[in-house]
Amino acid sequence: SYELTQPPSVSVSPGQTATITCSGDKLIYQYVCWYQQMAGQSPVMVIYQDTKRPSGIPERFSGSNSGNTATLTIRETQAIDEADYYCQAWDSGTDIYVFGSGTKLTVL
Amino acid sequence: EVQLVESGGGLVQPGGSLRLSCGTSGFTFSTYWMHWVRQVPGKGLVWVALIYGHGRSTQYADSVKGRFTISRDNAKKTLYLEMQSLRAEDTGVYYCGRETYDFVNGRPAPGIDYWGQGTLVTVSS
Repeated sequence: SYELTQPPSVSVSPGQTATITCSGDKLIYQYVCWYQQMAGQSPVMVIYQDTKRPSGIPERFSGSNSGNTATLTIRETQAIDEADYYCQAWDSGTDIYVFGSGTKLTVL
Repeated sequence: EVQLVESGGGLVQPGGSLRLSCGTSGFTFSTYWMHWVRQVPGKGLVWVALIYGHGRSTQYADSVKGRFTISRDNAKKTLYLEMQSLRAEDTGVYYCGRETYDFVNGRPAPGIDYWGQGTLVTVSS
């Protein structure tokens, strides 16, 4: 089955840039989206189709997808960005959706 | 305003059945593919099932195939998840979600742009 691998945790200082990666076989051929989930809340989409931001998501959030790795970048990280982040892709071979294992972002 | 509201969760014994519902409002329900996603509290998200807008096509995660059935009533703007032969590992918060739609190209785009608040299913004796 298709798998997406994320680092369990990422730490960043306020005002710095946070980078969260998502690795999967031939990921470049899939559209990747990213979700932010704050403690006790439902997930919120922050990036879709690799690079697009839904309405209302700050420009500080950006995405990219190259080769076998997709990346979520958060510039000028703030305390409010502290959350779990999940990538997701659609496996066109089996027609199922897959989530990454999740990354806990800590803003120190 | 788009709203998704799940209901039907609860405590059920292993081997039992449960039916979840997801009532929707604020968008043209029949246009959108819809998902169910599970999350054990404190753990990651797990995709469960998908149904196309017309309801005639569905997809399932291997872990629930043959036991769970996703369906929809477009007239009632409601999504369902029928769960049978429940196991302890089915325990979790079940979210319904709306598939993103790419209006530029006129087709669904992989991803879930709106989520409900979730309903908790506990499978335990």
